Amino acid sequence: GQNIDQPTEMTATEGAIVQINCTYQTSGFNGLFWYQQHAGEAPTFLSYNVLDGLEEKGRFSSFLSRSKGYSYLLLKELQMKDSASYLCAVEGNSNYQLIWGAGTKLIIKP
Amino acid sequence: EAGVTQFPSHSVIEKGQTVTLRCDPISGHDNLYWYRRVMGKEIKFLLHFVKESKQDESGMPNNRFLAERTGGTYSTLKVQPAELEDSGVYFCASSQGETVPKNTEAFFGQGTRLTVV
Repeated sequence: GQNIDQPTEMTATEGAIVQINCTYQTSGFNGLFWYQQHAGEAPTFLSYNVLDGLEEKGRFSSFLSRSKGYSYLLLKELQMKDSASYLCAVEGNSNYQLIWGAGTKLIIKP
Repeated sequence: EAGVTQFPSHSVIEKGQTVTLRCDPISGHDNLYWYRRVMGKEIKFLLHFVKESKQDESGMPNNRFLAERTGGTYSTLKVQPAELEDSGVYFCASSQGETVPKNTEAFFGQGTRLTVV
């Protein structure tokens, strides 16, 4: 079957760094996305990885290892507004038939 | 530029009734996707339109769900008759054509929260 695992909830301190992991097992792989979703709002795009390695974009970085079926989202200099759910999604065989993880709820404390 | 808009934002209907959800994609986006998030579970893909054609509808749960995109502009998703397990948030997303790099991503609407009682 197809499966994406990520921790249910994480807590971090304002100004710190947090790493959210995602492991996947899918029948195909065309890329991995990270989305941020604030409560009651639509998911918003953070990053897209299709090749192995680290993609840096401001305070957020995303890493992919295709051989290990593993990705992480790294958030630096955490701000209170970063409190949200972070969703890992894999594009399998079809264009944008995204397979979603259940999301990681990130709680930022002062 | 207007984003993806969905209507209604909330809908509460009784089991057995019909509900139609609407999605207006970003102008010029050929690709339109429907997703559903059932309470406590992950977001699941329902189907994908390219213009007015159904590219992939493998995620549609059963024949009570009917999606259309006449004219390749807005799309509707009808649930008839609705069942209790259909409750959830229905997201619509749109993106440009395949010639555009993937990292331009799909843009999501705010979702329609459907409650079947």
